[in-house]
Amino acid sequence: DTEVTQTPKHLVMGMTNKKSLKCEQHMGHRAMYWYKQKAKKPPELMFVYSYEKLSINESVPSRFSPECPNSSLLNLHLHALQPEDSALYLCASSQDLKDYTFGSGTRLTVV
Amino acid sequence: TQLLEQSPQFLSIQEGENLTVYCNSSSVFSSLQWYRQEPGEGPVLLVTVVTGGEVKKLKRLTFQFGDARKDSSLHITAAQPGDTGLYLCAGVLNDYKLSFGAGTTVTVRA
Repeated sequence: DTEVTQTPKHLVMGMTNKKSLKCEQHMGHRAMYWYKQKAKKPPELMFVYSYEKLSINESVPSRFSPECPNSSLLNLHLHALQPEDSALYLCASSQDLKDYTFGSGTRLTVV
Repeated sequence: TQLLEQSPQFLSIQEGENLTVYCNSSSVFSSLQWYRQEPGEGPVLLVTVVTGGEVKKLKRLTFQFGDARKDSSLHITAAQPGDTGLYLCAGVLNDYKLSFGAGTTVTVRA
């Protein structure tokens, strides 16, 4: 299995809702990432987990809460988001500092 | 401030023409990657270059890593409509942070 699987593919949520994005990989990669991508812009790093521990938080607002339950799973919990948080959220994994694999993303719309 | 400067931002060419995309930085990277992204999908890794001066070929795509590991280029020969997409360069410093260039939107007209 050489894929990163993200669910759901699309999500529409209200500003008072709580939802979660899920990411799964079975390549044995020890690092997992969350990126946010706005239209016509490059992906921007949000969080890095290394060996299931949060190693990098790029000053992301607390309404985004990452969780790494085990080495194959990565979640992003969302609460009280704003319309400007609407974007494509990408999960990625890597074994070392090369050869990152990205998922297809979750298209999030906050209404 | 973008760590990687990518140019041009947009490229529109006729099928059969050649094109080159550039990625430059003042930083030295342990590795540099090129991705292609379709609308609504995640980036797909095309190649990783690691050694200064390295040249890699992937069918009609040629990737070059500068001797000082600060810059890279992607050259496509005889472009086809299927090459249309957003091309992103990305570099890794000495941590796990993969930093992207702004991207080049390539359109190949039939």
